[in-house]
Amino acid sequence: EPEVTQTPSHQVTQMGQEVILRCVPISNHLYFYWYRQILGQKVEFLVSFYNNEISEKSEIFDDQFSVERPDGSNFTLKIRSTKLEDSAMYFCASSELGLAGAGELFFGEGSRLTVL
Amino acid sequence: GENVEQHPSTLSVQEGDSAVIKCTYSDSASNYFPWYKQELGKRPQLIIDIRSNVGEKKDQRIAVTLNKTAKHFSLHITETQPEDSAVYFCAASQDSSASKIIFGSGTRLSIRP
Repeated sequence: EPEVTQTPSHQVTQMGQEVILRCVPISNHLYFYWYRQILGQKVEFLVSFYNNEISEKSEIFDDQFSVERPDGSNFTLKIRSTKLEDSAMYFCASSELGLAGAGELFFGEGSRLTVL
Repeated sequence: GENVEQHPSTLSVQEGDSAVIKCTYSDSASNYFPWYKQELGKRPQLIIDIRSNVGEKKDQRIAVTLNKTAKHFSLHITETQPEDSAVYFCAASQDSSASKIIFGSGTRLSIRP
C-alpha cells in the first residue's frame, strides 16, 4: 500500500538554526498538507498546498515557515530560525482528490523536531 | 474559523464494553467529519468518516452518528478489545478541495482487561 514518507524521523537542532523537513506524498496525490503535534496535544493545521501554491495557512504558519515542492515528488517544510516552541512532531499529509472529492487524508509517520 | 470540542479527554472501559466519544463543532458550513486513531508514537490513521448527507455510518464494531442541527457527532466502539487502546481524534472540515481538517483535542481510550 502506498505511503507518505517523511525524513528525518527525528532532528535535534539549536535555537535559531534553519530546519528543513522533507516529505514524499503518495505519487498520484494532488493536495499536500503540513500539521504539527506538540507532545500530548492535538494535531494542529499548518498549511495546505495545491497546484504549486499555498491554499490556506494557519496563524501558526508565520514568516518563519515556508513550503516548497522543488520537484515532482518532494514537499518540504522549512523553518528559518527555530524557536524552542517549534519543538513538536510534524506530520505531512496528502490527499488524492481533496476533501470535496471524498479524498481521505493520509499522514506520514512524522518528523520529530527538538529545539534546544 | 472552525472549533472542534471533544469529550471526554480520557476514557477507561472494561474489555467487551462499549465506548462513546462525543464532539461538537462550531462552523455550520462543515460537512465532513473524520475520526482518527493514533497509537503511541504513530501517525494518525483514519478509522471512519461521515459526510453531512447521512446521519449514521457503521463499519463493523465502529459507528459514527451526526446531528447537524445540534452540530455534534459521536464515535461508538462496541465490544472493545485491548487493541482499541489509543488516542482518538474527531475532526471537521468544509467540503472544498484543499480545505483543512480541524482536529479535536483527543480522547485517550484505555481498555481494561
